[in-house]
Amino acid sequence: SQQGEEDPQALSIQEGENATMNCSYKTSINNLQWYRQNSGRGLVHLILIRSNEREKHSGRLRVTLDTSKKSSSLLITASRAADTASYFCATDADDAGNMLTFGGGTRLMVKP
Amino acid sequence: NAGVTQTPKFQVLKTGQSMTLQCAQDMNHEYMSWYRQDPGMGLRLIHYSVGAGITDQGEVPNGYNVSRSTTEDFPLRLLSAAPSQTSVYFCASAPGSGGETQYFGPGTRLLVL
Repeated sequence: SQQGEEDPQALSIQEGENATMNCSYKTSINNLQWYRQNSGRGLVHLILIRSNEREKHSGRLRVTLDTSKKSSSLLITASRAADTASYFCATDADDAGNMLTFGGGTRLMVKP
Repeated sequence: NAGVTQTPKFQVLKTGQSMTLQCAQDMNHEYMSWYRQDPGMGLRLIHYSVGAGITDQGEVPNGYNVSRSTTEDFPLRLLSAAPSQTSVYFCASAPGSGGETQYFGPGTRLLVL
């Protein structure tokens, strides 16, 4: 079963626009992470937000976490063609021991 | 540092054959894990290890064995491959627990005929 579910499943935007991806999860968590995967490659960690944090920034990335709604969002500002990739949220659930559970991902295409 | 390395990059097996997917990391990480990724889906945890000599099952462990004799290496064994094991396999490591940031290898693409 998947703890995190991303929405939308696919997103297509023009270069320079902002991209917003959402993640919902089911149980209480210690932290939530976002990863990027370029086609055919391994995942790369983008940002980690802990359960007691509400917002975090890293360069053009902004992540929010609402534990009352069990949801998170990833905003990429001023998108570039190089941002084209799949984006996954992953949760470290309280009751999951040493396991990180991934959602199904959002496929982002940024058109030049 | 090479980070997390995986071999082979691509493998074709016939049903019933066995093979070992290799994973190594040079970051002295305690935690290592194996995931599989099926087309259009997220990653599912197969097995993980919190240190040398310690392994545990993840979400989809059936058909796979692991061992962790050293901190650096975490091989994944398929004893009798089945077409349902056709997937892309990723190894990952983390400095401490599995709930922290994980560092991924480039993946092994496996096709079972």
